[in-house]
Amino acid sequence: DTAVSQTPKYLVTQMGNDKSIKCEQNLGHDTMYWYKQDSKKFLKIMFSYNNKELIINETVPNRFSPKSPDKAHLNLHINSLELGDSAVYFCASSYRDVNSPLHFGNGTRLTVT
Amino acid sequence: AQTVTQSQPEMSVQEAETVTLSCTYDTSENNYYLFWYKQPPSRQMILVIRQEAYKQQNATENRFSVNFQKAAKSFSLKISDSQLGDTAMYFCAFMKTGNNDMRFGAGTRLTVKP
Repeated sequence: DTAVSQTPKYLVTQMGNDKSIKCEQNLGHDTMYWYKQDSKKFLKIMFSYNNKELIINETVPNRFSPKSPDKAHLNLHINSLELGDSAVYFCASSYRDVNSPLHFGNGTRLTVT
Repeated sequence: AQTVTQSQPEMSVQEAETVTLSCTYDTSENNYYLFWYKQPPSRQMILVIRQEAYKQQNATENRFSVNFQKAAKSFSLKISDSQLGDTAMYFCAFMKTGNNDMRFGAGTRLTVKP
C-alpha cells in the first residue's frame, strides 16, 4: 500500500524521558512535515524537510529535533519530555513544487505522565 | 502571516440533508490554494477537496462542493445528502503558492444525526 506510515501509534512515557517517532512515506514525495495537534484539535506545523533539507522550522522548543536520513523518512526525536508535549503528532508528505495537498500519516498519540 | 478562521466550532445535520461549513482566511497573496480536510474519530486526516485561487469555478467532488469567494476571502464547504459517515472534524487549510507551509483553521466538529 502506498502511504505515509508512522510508528508508534501510541506512546506513553514519563516526564524527563527521551523518545522518538518514526515516519516513512512510499509516495515518492520530496517534502515531509511534522504537525502537532493539541487537545483542542488545533493543528500546527512544526517542521518541514525537502530532500533532507530543513525548509520550515516554526517556533518549537529545541528539545524537538527532526532528522531526515533520506527524502522518504522524517523522524522526530524529543528530549526531556514535558507534560505539555502530550498531543497527537502527525507526519505528512507532499511534492514541493506543484502545491500538492499533504498526505498524512495516522498520527502518534503521545501521553506524558 | 496567513490566518484561517472557522467560526463554527460545532454543527449538526440530519442524515440526507445539506450542511455548509464556513471558512474565511486572511492573506495578501494573490495565488494560493485552499483545502478541506476531514478527520473522523479514527484520527486519520483525509483530503476532501481543494481549490486553486486562480480558478473561478468552484471545485466539486461528488457530494462535496465549495463556494469560493476570492474577494471576500471565503471558502465554505457544502455537504449534500449528508451521511452518517460524514461525522468528523472538518479543517479548512491555506497554502501559499510556491510554499508548502499549510496552515489550518481550528476545525468544525460535524455530527450527522440519523
